Amino acid sequence: QKEVEQNSGPLSVPEGAIASLNCTYSDRGSQSFFWYRQYSGKSPELIMSIYSNGDKEDGRFTAQLNKASQYVSLLIRDSQPSDSATYLCAVNQGWGGATNKLIFGTGTLLAVQP
Amino acid sequence: GAVVSQHPSRVICKSGTSVKIECRSLDFQATTMFWYRQFPKQSLMLMATSNEGSKATYEQGVEKDKFLINHASLTLSTLTVTSAHPEDSSFYICSAIPRNQPQHFGDGTRLSIL
Repeated sequence: QKEVEQNSGPLSVPEGAIASLNCTYSDRGSQSFFWYRQYSGKSPELIMSIYSNGDKEDGRFTAQLNKASQYVSLLIRDSQPSDSATYLCAVNQGWGGATNKLIFGTGTLLAVQP
Repeated sequence: GAVVSQHPSRVICKSGTSVKIECRSLDFQATTMFWYRQFPKQSLMLMATSNEGSKATYEQGVEKDKFLINHASLTLSTLTVTSAHPEDSSFYICSAIPRNQPQHFGDGTRLSIL
């Protein structure tokens, strides 16, 4: 059973702080990794994608990938109350996106306190 | 950017009714679309992969005769929940993959069976 695991939270951080969201995956052959944000009652929206080891930055968001440790994380700098949502980690099952099937973690609920 | 449109956004109907949900790619062609189901406080679970011009591929445990998928064109996939019962009440979300981009999700359909 290929799995993606996240701490369900809630992760509570004060406004302006750095929020750190973590995800581990079991399929060593996974190639593509994604972070989606999902507000309550809404569908997921893509925040970041990362395909190679290291860091990838986009505005206040930084994704970090370590394939050897099978670990991917998302850092949110200068957290805002509007960042409060569930963050879903998703992993592309298989090599090279051949199937394009995504396996989702259960999500981490982030609460940014004003 | 790429847009995936899903309709209707909400359905409330009686037990035994069949419900059709549409998923459209508005500005790109999608040979493959995905259908997910999400129960409250749970992650997205892939139900099936919809393939244009051929049969859908269902995930283990998903009844193909219960959840009928038709992908008759490059921009439209439909999911029909046949003879729906209260346990089918859920949030159904479709997604599609624009060229060289990650999956984009529709806004979801909240189905409530009375």
